Amino acid sequence: TQLLEQSPQFLSIQEGENLTVYCNSSSVFSSLQWYRQEPGEGPVLLVTVVTGGEVKKLKRLTFQFGDARKDSSLHITAAQPGDTGLYLCAGALDSGYSTLTFGKGTMLLVSP
Amino acid sequence: DTEVTQTPKHLVMGMTNKKSLKCEQHMGHRAMYWYKQKAKKPPELMFVYSYEKLSINESVPSRFSPECPNSSLLNLHLHALQPEDSALYLCASSPGTEETQYFGPGTRLLVL
Repeated sequence: TQLLEQSPQFLSIQEGENLTVYCNSSSVFSSLQWYRQEPGEGPVLLVTVVTGGEVKKLKRLTFQFGDARKDSSLHITAAQPGDTGLYLCAGALDSGYSTLTFGKGTMLLVSP
Repeated sequence: DTEVTQTPKHLVMGMTNKKSLKCEQHMGHRAMYWYKQKAKKPPELMFVYSYEKLSINESVPSRFSPECPNSSLLNLHLHALQPEDSALYLCASSPGTEETQYFGPGTRLLVL
């Protein structure tokens, strides 16, 4: 059973388009992180959200944490080729389990 | 400074070799992690160290042996690996075990 469902798994779009990636769960998370990873490199932290309903913006990226802290979304406005990469959501379960639960990732390809 | 460093960047080894991967952080984090990642998949947790003590071993084969010499260093000793162990090995650290993890750039391992 996948605790954190991430969708879509793959996304291929043209430069300038908007997109949204979703992470959903039936479990409550005390916090949730979004990472971006390029091939052969380690995941780079984009944001941590901790409060239900929280919205954070990072330039063209908007992150939202669901009110019930069971889901999150990443919206990219006017995607650029430099946004290409594997996007991973990862959450810390509210039950106190001491490690992160990862989604399966969204592979984003932005073509010029 | 939110940097986790890993050496070497790349490693090629035979199935009879013994090698070690190294990870270092100077953020004062008390939790450190080893992950294994295959291409286009999310990281898979291998080991967790909390306050220099092994707290989680995710049923990893004994040919992988972790070591935490001090609070800033984490090693992964490799012996008699198999070709299917070829992967990107990621180290991460966090202030505590339920907090945001920061990843290193990884070691790309090829077992021949």
